Amino acid sequence: AQKITQTQPGMFVQEKEAVTLDCTYDTSDPSYGLFWYKQPSSGEMIFLIYQGSYDQQNATEGRYSLNFQKARKSANLVISASQLGDSAMYFCAMREFVYSGGGADGLTFGKGTHLIIQP
Amino acid sequence: DGGITQSPKYLFRKEGQNVTLSCEQNLNHDAMYWYRQDPGQGLRLIYYSQIVNDFQKGDIAEGYSVSREKKESFPLTVTSAQKNPTAFYLCASSPEWDRNYGYTFGSGTRLTVV
Repeated sequence: AQKITQTQPGMFVQEKEAVTLDCTYDTSDPSYGLFWYKQPSSGEMIFLIYQGSYDQQNATEGRYSLNFQKARKSANLVISASQLGDSAMYFCAMREFVYSGGGADGLTFGKGTHLIIQP
Repeated sequence: DGGITQSPKYLFRKEGQNVTLSCEQNLNHDAMYWYRQDPGQGLRLIYYSQIVNDFQKGDIAEGYSVSREKKESFPLTVTSAQKNPTAFYLCASSPEWDRNYGYTFGSGTRLTVV
C-alpha cells in the first residue's frame, strides 16, 4: 500500500484564487512528520512547510498553510492568493520517527500534483 | 552561502559504462541521501548515510553504489548493472539531530543513457 497518496495528478487554477492540494498518508507510527515541497521546472526541490504529528495547531508559512486532520490521516496544502510563480510540481512527504518501514530512514514521497496557475 | 552542489547538471552514459554523480554539502549536516525521480513516479530513495563511513540501502539500491569518506561528500555511482538508469537524480542532506528539519536538496543531475 502507498504511504503517501496525492490524488490530483494535475490542476488548473485561476490566478489569485486559493488552491488546495490533497495528501493522505498511511502510518502506524505514533510519531511522524509531514512535509510539502515545490519543484519548479528547473528541478530543484524547495521546502515549503512542515507539520509534526503532535502539533496542535495547523502549520502556516506565509501564503502556505497545512490543513492537518490527524484522524483522517490527511495533510492538505492550501495556497492562498495563487500567483503565476506558483506553477510547479508539488510533493507531499512523510518521515516516520519510530518505525521506518524497511529500515530506510528517509522521506517517503507521493507522486506529486502538477499545478498550473492561469492568468 | 551554505547549500548542496550536484555535478554535473547533465550526464550522458553509454551502455555498459559506470558513471559517478557528485554531491557536496557545506551545511555541516550529518545525514545525506540519494533519490531517483522518474516521470509520474515521485522520488524514490536509493541510498542514505547518517554518518561518515556508514551508509544504508534504500528502496531501489540495486545497480547503484555509494561511499561516504568525508562528511561533506556522498558520491553515487550508477553501475552497468542498473537496467534503466535514465532518470533525474537528487541529493539531499539533513541534520540528524533534528528530525523535524525539511531536507535540503541539490539542483539535481539528469542522466541519459545513449
